[in-house]
Amino acid sequence: AQSVTQLDSQVPVFEEAPVELRCNYSSSVSVYLFWYVQYPNQGLQLLLKYLSGSTLVKGINGFEAEFNKSQTSFHLRKPSVHISDTAEYFCAVSYTGRRALTFGSGTRLQVQP
Amino acid sequence: NAGVTQTPKFQVLKTGQSMTLQCAQDMNHEYMSWYRQDPGMGLRLIHYSVGAGITDQGEVPNGYNVSRSTTEDFPLRLLSAAPSQTSVYFCASSSGTGDTGELFFGEGSRLTVL
Repeated sequence: AQSVTQLDSQVPVFEEAPVELRCNYSSSVSVYLFWYVQYPNQGLQLLLKYLSGSTLVKGINGFEAEFNKSQTSFHLRKPSVHISDTAEYFCAVSYTGRRALTFGSGTRLQVQP
Repeated sequence: NAGVTQTPKFQVLKTGQSMTLQCAQDMNHEYMSWYRQDPGMGLRLIHYSVGAGITDQGEVPNGYNVSRSTTEDFPLRLLSAAPSQTSVYFCASSSGTGDTGELFFGEGSRLTVL
């Protein structure tokens, strides 16, 4: 069965520091990978996605992620975070031929002044 | 654009009561789905539909029914609510073109079962 593992449930970081949120998925022949962000009391919105091509994907709000097939990882990074980045971040995967997304358990990013 | 609209946003039920969570989308998306979100567990797929008249079970379907009579609407029914169904429910949809799985989410419905 497909699965997604987000290794950190919470990540505290100071404002303007860099951050990496880790995501690993179970191996498959072909996958699509996503990061979604959820601000308090809101639904999820797409941050970025990897479908094919370049393994470095840039998203909204200065975030980027790198697809590493050999390590089955899709870690999310930002070089300098803002207070407004405080939110929960979800990694998700879909497999070719299936539209249902499998989500990780989420990482709560807490940006402190 | 309204996107994906869920109602109600909040609901409190007693054990054994029934209710329907409504979901409507105005993007002409073929694919619609329901997820529940629980602390530390991410989002888990309850039911999904690939088009009007077609539904299928997801990871956690027990206790929930769905139907898809139109492209726009995908209601989720709880026939006999249980405290274990206390959760935040999200409806999501995606376009039929391509097969990428990118989802558009509603704002959620918070359900408490006493």
